[in-house]
Amino acid sequence: EIVLTQSPTTMAASPGEKVTITCRASSSVSYMHWFQQKSGTSPKPWIYDTSKLASGVPDRFSGSGSGTSYSLTISSMEAEDAATYYCLQRSSYPWTFGGGTKLELK
Amino acid sequence: QVQLKESGPGLVQPSQTLSLTCTVSGFSLTSYHVGWVRQPPGKGLEWMGVIWTGGSTAYNSLLKSRLSISRDISKSQVFLKMNSLQTEDTATYYCARDLRPFDYWGQGVMVTVSS
Repeated sequence: EIVLTQSPTTMAASPGEKVTITCRASSSVSYMHWFQQKSGTSPKPWIYDTSKLASGVPDRFSGSGSGTSYSLTISSMEAEDAATYYCLQRSSYPWTFGGGTKLELK
Repeated sequence: QVQLKESGPGLVQPSQTLSLTCTVSGFSLTSYHVGWVRQPPGKGLEWMGVIWTGGSTAYNSLLKSRLSISRDISKSQVFLKMNSLQTEDTATYYCARDLRPFDYWGQGVMVTVSS
């Protein structure tokens, strides 16, 4: 099983601040996918195939990485970005999610 | 529009079998895969399994011995059955259309395992 480790686990950012969330895989994966989840709601697709934004995702978000290290970046934090973000790999079974990064507004 | 909706019992007794239904609309099960993901209260997401457009399945090895996913194309329904439930199986269970992946999700159904 490929274990995905996200860092940080929790963080707070001020409006306008740049935010980077990292997802490290225990073995190399081809792509990384990201989901956003707000409290009490279903996860939403956010970034797929490492760097492609899902429909409706603001372009202040971006994704990058390769091999065992991937990241989600917000160029300028906004209040609506406060949520928990999860990475997902589907390069090998079982598909695995990272433990999540809770992003709060400072 | 694309919709998925999970249904099933909110409470299951330990050692019993969980049966959930995912009713989809706006797309065909022969054109899109459907997966199941669960989330224990206050915790992260866990992929459980997927049923492919051709009807074959793939399961999380940690659950494989207890889990079965099937479908009824005519009713646009996907079924999840998991036996030998324990308290650690208490979670919200989601079904999701598997494109890109998981581009549409159901609202989830909370299942509590308790006597």
